Amino acid sequence: TQLLEQSPQFLSIQEGENLTVYCNSSSVFSSLQWYRQEPGEGPVLLVTVVTGGEVKKLKRLTFQFGDARKDSSLHITAAQPGDTGLYLCAGVHTGANSKLTFGKGITLSVRP
Amino acid sequence: DSGVTQTPKHLITATGQRVTLRCSPRSGDLSVYWYQQSLDQGLQFLIQYYNGEERAKGNILERFSAQQFPDLHSELNLSSLELGDSALYFCASSVGTVGGYTFGSGTRLTVV
Repeated sequence: TQLLEQSPQFLSIQEGENLTVYCNSSSVFSSLQWYRQEPGEGPVLLVTVVTGGEVKKLKRLTFQFGDARKDSSLHITAAQPGDTGLYLCAGVHTGANSKLTFGKGITLSVRP
Repeated sequence: DSGVTQTPKHLITATGQRVTLRCSPRSGDLSVYWYQQSLDQGLQFLIQYYNGEERAKGNILERFSAQQFPDLHSELNLSSLELGDSALYFCASSVGTVGGYTFGSGTRLTVV
């Protein structure tokens, strides 16, 4: 059972465009994290969100945690080729230990 | 360099064989996690250790086992290997039992 659904699965856009991708679940998470993974490397943590409704910004990336703590979105402004990669969301279930459950990821390609 | 070291980086072996993957966590991190990543399943949690003790188990096959040693490094043992075990195996570490993970660069296992 895939507890975290990420959409869209694949996204190819032109440099300079804006985009929003989503991470949805029917479960409540105590925290949710976003990672970016490049080919041949391990995922790298971008952000952790903990409070429902929380918004965090990391340069051109804006992360939002849903009010009910079941979903999250990632918005990228003026995408650049360096943003290309696999974006993974991962959640820690309420009451569980720190075991992260990952979504399958969103493959983003930004064309110059 | 994330601070999490995984060896070897690549491994090619025959069906039926046994291999050992090694992970040294980031300095100061007590928790070690093992994940398997394949194209169709994404990142699947295998097992977690905290300060030498098994803390959580995921979808880890009986043919697979792991341990964490007193110096906190961890080994994942895969035996009676099958073609379907071909995947990327990642180790991650964290300070405690909450918070973001730091991933290693992974071991790419190919079973032929």
